[in-house]
Amino acid sequence: NAGVMQNPRHLVRRRGQEARLRCSPMKGHSHVYWYRQLPEEGLKFMVYLQKENIIDESGMPKERFSAEFPKEGPSILRIQQVVRGDSAAYFCASSPGTSGGSTDTQYFGPGTRLTVL
Amino acid sequence: AQSVTQLGSHVSVSEGALVLLRCNYSSSVPPYLFWYVQYPNQGLQLLLKYTTGATLVKGINGFEAEFKKSETSFHLTKPSAHMSDAAEYFCAVIKGGSYIPTFGRGTSLIVHP
Repeated sequence: NAGVMQNPRHLVRRRGQEARLRCSPMKGHSHVYWYRQLPEEGLKFMVYLQKENIIDESGMPKERFSAEFPKEGPSILRIQQVVRGDSAAYFCASSPGTSGGSTDTQYFGPGTRLTVL
Repeated sequence: AQSVTQLGSHVSVSEGALVLLRCNYSSSVPPYLFWYVQYPNQGLQLLLKYTTGATLVKGINGFEAEFKKSETSFHLTKPSAHMSDAAEYFCAVIKGGSYIPTFGRGTSLIVHP
């Protein structure tokens, strides 16, 4: 039973380019969460998605960032026109959605480390 | 708004010694509490969680944590440290009714031979 998969594991982009980060949830999981981790800081929530729906994007920057979780295929976090401040580790987590809300255990992927030159 | 404070960005112990990682939270309503471990270049792995019931929670790898409401704390302990315990540990809080965790800044556990 494969865990949460993220690719690429490392991504290097120049300022102004686009970054696409992919997340495949655990089998049977229909809820996906994206987090950003800056050096020596905890994870910060970005967005919560279910299949074809954005449930909560309160942690997403208003511009340049978008996320989707299509009916088929992985969830995508897209960052347009990247800047140096976007350099961070981006983690995806998935949950089955069976416990409901607060107590639903989230399983984390290994992360994508984005470096903007 | 809720917040999580992890005292000490680095904790150093000798192999076999007691591990104590501190976590204090602030929350306007009773929270759910979590401890995660992160090994280098890996994602977070759930160690244990408190939702309701017994305030002493046992997790994986011999770790346990006690929810103390009066102290708003959820400290993580392990009686005897192993070299393999060296990692980053994160405390997280979810306010009841929510699903968005607030994470502490993390504590790096260093284990000396």
